[in-house]
Amino acid sequence: KNEVEQSPQNLTAQEGEFITINCSYSVGISALHWLQQHPGGGIVSLFMLSSGKKKHGRLIATINIQEKHSSLHITASHPRDSAVYICAVERGSQGNLIFGKGTKLSVKP
Amino acid sequence: DTAVSQTPKYLVTQMGNDKSIKCEQNLGHDTMYWYKQDSKKFLKIMFSYNNKELIINETVPNRFSPKSPDKAHLNLHINSLELGDSAVYFCAISTGGEAFFGQGTRLTVV
Repeated sequence: KNEVEQSPQNLTAQEGEFITINCSYSVGISALHWLQQHPGGGIVSLFMLSSGKKKHGRLIATINIQEKHSSLHITASHPRDSAVYICAVERGSQGNLIFGKGTKLSVKP
Repeated sequence: DTAVSQTPKYLVTQMGNDKSIKCEQNLGHDTMYWYKQDSKKFLKIMFSYNNKELIINETVPNRFSPKSPDKAHLNLHINSLELGDSAVYFCAISTGGEAFFGQGTRLTVV
């Protein structure tokens, strides 16, 4: 079993819908990252969390360290949000990331 | 100005060849990483290099070797390329607050 599990694997939404992507992990971590990968292939960092909640525009990320769970929310979704969203955890001082398998989001106009 | 620059973006080569992918970062961070994204889009660590010292080598064949001429560069050399090496390779750094990725190199071995 992968150390980082994401759900759902695929998600289709109508423009304007509220979207939630979930991430659970089974190892001790120093930080959790949410990444976005567009069809062109580039990977962009959205958030790095070690506790609590962060907000950037229409994106909100939360983490519950005790439950080893994080969520990424997108409010008022838009077709340009269509991408693969990847949860990744960072362990200890080495800093390398362990990735979930990604959630492919498609937002229809 | 891009934090992590990676070249080339596409690389098509024949089996048995030797190739290199270059990576440069301009944030002065000590640690650089190489990740491999397979055909199912799953990302996995290959190497971690900290200040010119190899820290992580995750069961990668010996044909793959990271080379760090200086703190800003971590190149990936691949010898005797095999069909199964076809994938997208990403160079990255993690500053403790944010992760920065290169644009990726799509390697196709024919």
